[in-house]
Amino acid sequence: NAGVMQNPRHLVRRRGQEARLRCSPMKGHSHVYWYRQLPEEGLKFMVYLQKENIIDESGMPKERFSAEFPKEGPSILRIQQVVRGDSAAYFCASSQSQENYGYTFGSGTRLTVV
Amino acid sequence: KNQVEQSPQSLIILEGKNCTLQCNYTVSPFSNLRWYKQDTGRGPVSLTIMTFSENTKSNGRYTATLDADTKQSSLHITASQLSDSASYICVVSPSNFGNEKLTFGTGTRLTIIP
Repeated sequence: NAGVMQNPRHLVRRRGQEARLRCSPMKGHSHVYWYRQLPEEGLKFMVYLQKENIIDESGMPKERFSAEFPKEGPSILRIQQVVRGDSAAYFCASSQSQENYGYTFGSGTRLTVV
Repeated sequence: KNQVEQSPQSLIILEGKNCTLQCNYTVSPFSNLRWYKQDTGRGPVSLTIMTFSENTKSNGRYTATLDADTKQSSLHITASQLSDSASYICVVSPSNFGNEKLTFGTGTRLTIIP
C-alpha cells in the first residue's frame, strides 16, 4: 500500500518557465491538500481539493498558481512563469474523508528556480 | 492571528539522553494538536494527535502533553537514538475537518550525537 506519491522529487526551472507538480494520494483517499515550505519556515496551507472540486484555495496566490484534482489521475499543482521566490518544497497530503485525522504527507517536491 | 511557536529552535543532545520540546499556540477555536517528525528531505510523519480533552498521549519513546487552558504542549523524548535526529513540528487544527487549515510551527531541529 503505497503512501502519498509526489513527483518529481526535485525540479529545476528557469525563470519564466512552467512547473507542474504531481501528487497521487493514498489508495482510497479522495481529499488532497497542498502545502508550501520555504527555507527555515513552517508549512503553509495552499489549497484543498476533492475529486474534481476545489474546496478551499485561500492560501494559494491568485496569479500564476492553479491546482486540479481530476476524476482520473493525480492532483496537479501548476505554477506558471516561475520566479525565484517560488523556490520551495511543496508537500501534498491526503485523507480519506473530510475528517483530517488520517492526514498523510508525501515526501515533497523541491522546486528550484534558477 | 493564529500562531504556533516552538522552542527551542534547535537542540543538540547526547545519544541516550532525554529531552523536551515546547509548543505554545494562539489558534482559536482549537480542536486538536499534533506533533510531526520531519526527516531531512522527507514529508512530515505524524507522532501523536491530541484533542482538547486529552492531557497526554504516548507513542513509544515519544510522550506528548497538552494543557488546553494555557495553550501549551510539550513533546518528551526518552532514551534518544541517533535516528531521532530530525525536525519536530507542532501543528494545531481548529477543526477535525479538512477544510479548516492546519497551522504549523517552524519546528525544533533536534540533533542526537553519539
